[in-house]
Amino acid sequence: KQEVTQIPAALSVPEGENLVLNCSFTDSAIYNLQWFRQDPGKGLTSLLLIQSSQREQTSGRLNASLDKSSGRSTLYIAASQPGDSATYLCAVDGPNQGGKLIFGQGTELSVKP
Amino acid sequence: GAGVSQSPSNKVTEKGKDVELRCDPISGHTALYWYRQSLGQGLEFLIYFQGNSAPDKSGLPSDRFSAERTGGSVSTLTIQRTQQEDSAVYLCASSLQGATGTQYFGPGTRLTVL
Repeated sequence: KQEVTQIPAALSVPEGENLVLNCSFTDSAIYNLQWFRQDPGKGLTSLLLIQSSQREQTSGRLNASLDKSSGRSTLYIAASQPGDSATYLCAVDGPNQGGKLIFGQGTELSVKP
Repeated sequence: GAGVSQSPSNKVTEKGKDVELRCDPISGHTALYWYRQSLGQGLEFLIYFQGNSAPDKSGLPSDRFSAERTGGSVSTLTIQRTQQEDSAVYLCASSLQGATGTQYFGPGTRLTVL
């Protein structure tokens, strides 16, 4: 059974720092891995989706990498801003999941001005 | 609309009452998912509709939960005889192509059972 873990559970950094959020999964047979952002009281916003055949995806200050064989993904945020404060969730989709995503517990990020 | 919409945004009900939650997916998306986000439980899958296929109900926690999708578009999640442990945010997502595609989430319905 696929399990997704995110470390750390919470992170506080000063504005301008570069940071890395970690996601690990137990079953490497995945279709893709997706990173989401969730603001308090809001739904999820998709940030990046990495297909299993890809190594990384970039969008603006965000870079997500995928190492399928080791069951790991990282989300790199460059030059963090207070507006980046949110909970970041990773989720995987795989052949034994019938299309449903399995989520990690999330990392709550706080960027201090 | 441009994104997935859900209604109501908030629902407060008394234990034992039935509730209906609505989801309008992105137009043209064939796949629709319901998830539940509880404090301390994270996000968990409930049910998945793909086109005209029979839905995947494997995540529904009990027979008090049911969902339907009419005309391949709007979906309604019904919870009968609500219990306090049903309190959570219920999130709907849609995807253009089902498995392997990006899922786009709605803002959710916050359900509180008193």
